[in-house]
Amino acid sequence: EIVLTQSPGTLSLSPGERATLSCRASQSVSSSYLAWYQQKPGQAPRLLIYGGSSRATGIPDRFSGSGSGTDFTLTISRLEPEDFAVYYCQHYGGSPMYTFGQGTKLEIK
Amino acid sequence: QVQLQESGPGLVKPSETLSLTCTVSGDSFSVHYWSWIRQPPGKGLEWIGYMYYTGTTNYNPSLKSRVTISVDTSKNQFSLKVRSVTAADTAVYYCARAMQLHFDYWGRGTPVIVSS
Repeated sequence: EIVLTQSPGTLSLSPGERATLSCRASQSVSSSYLAWYQQKPGQAPRLLIYGGSSRATGIPDRFSGSGSGTDFTLTISRLEPEDFAVYYCQHYGGSPMYTFGQGTKLEIK
Repeated sequence: QVQLQESGPGLVKPSETLSLTCTVSGDSFSVHYWSWIRQPPGKGLEWIGYMYYTGTTNYNPSLKSRVTISVDTSKNQFSLKVRSVTAADTAVYYCARAMQLHFDYWGRGTPVIVSS
């Protein structure tokens, strides 16, 4: 089973700053199978990034994904007030078929 | 515009069966993987299983013995049953459409509490 570990657990930043969120896989995975989601309180997760680095429809270009092997990163270049939320990485493949990281909470400093 | 909407009882007694339905609009059941995902209170996301449009199913091994996902194409609905529930099955349950590798459309989620 592939385990995804996200860090940090909580990230405190101010609007306008750059956010770097990490997702580490327990074994090497293809970036094609890595996605990122944003979840706000009381809402369903929203797809941000798929295939490791492709933005989903309607996602602003301040969001970017990168990485390979076991280390993947979601970067938000310049935080907007609406970006403060919980972020999850997700991997496809293996057993179970889909696994999620435990999440990183991005909070306003 | 694809939309998914979960429905079902919000309260289930321990040892009974949890039954939820997801109604899909704006899409047919062709090509995609129709999934259920849950989120216990204050916790992360857990994939439960999917049904592919061909009827093939795949379940999380941790839940496989208690879960069934089925589809009613005439109603554009797919359903989830979880048998022998316990308090650990208390969660918000989401239905979602998967483009095989990731989930691009989600329902708003429905909370289910397991309690006597």
